[in-house]
Amino acid sequence: GAVVSQHPSRVICKSGTSVKIECRSLDFQATTMFWYRQFPKQSLMLMATSNEGSKATYEQGVEKDKFLINHASLTLSTLTVTSAHPEDSSFYICSATSRGGRDTQYFGPGTRLTVL
Amino acid sequence: EDKVVQSPLSLVVHEGDTVTLNCSYEVTNFRSLLWYKQEKKAPTFLFMLTSSGIEKKSGRLSSILDKKELFSILNITATQTGDSAIYLCAVEATGANSKLTFGKGITLSVRP
Repeated sequence: GAVVSQHPSRVICKSGTSVKIECRSLDFQATTMFWYRQFPKQSLMLMATSNEGSKATYEQGVEKDKFLINHASLTLSTLTVTSAHPEDSSFYICSATSRGGRDTQYFGPGTRLTVL
Repeated sequence: EDKVVQSPLSLVVHEGDTVTLNCSYEVTNFRSLLWYKQEKKAPTFLFMLTSSGIEKKSGRLSSILDKKELFSILNITATQTGDSAIYLCAVEATGANSKLTFGKGITLSVRP
């Protein structure tokens, strides 16, 4: 199957700093990428959907100014958590799909963010 | 609002047992239902179901969808300790961007 990578796999930062997470599709062109957040013992919650070359669509309750998403190319999307706070500590997972989102989503390995 | 409910929330069995995991859903403009297995990291894809009554099989795992009753089951036969994981069910709606709505997951523990 298709391969999606995320970097970094784990990050610890101080409160108030910004953290950038990269999501790459390694062997296919991802026209659409999704960003999810998963708190302990909870399911994946979709944060936003990004299409290459256009602005991301955020789910209700997700602050777009806090979670900046850039999908600059067909193989790379980034999520920047700005001015991170301890409550932003979570597991962030991206997924990527081709054909405008009509194909199966392939998940990255996730990034564990801990904000001190 | 699309909704996915999985049951039971957790399950403990012994190796060799057969388990059935349930997923019911409500979704506007259904496209597909997907099952994922999540161990320590991100989910890995198991099955995608789009049509009722057609069983999908992969080794000891199988799954079927009932679009009339709006549910799916995932069966695992002859369970092994390596099957211990969280099993996630998600539904995909039609639209320009096919969003997935996930259930809370079923935590399966298989004891030796």
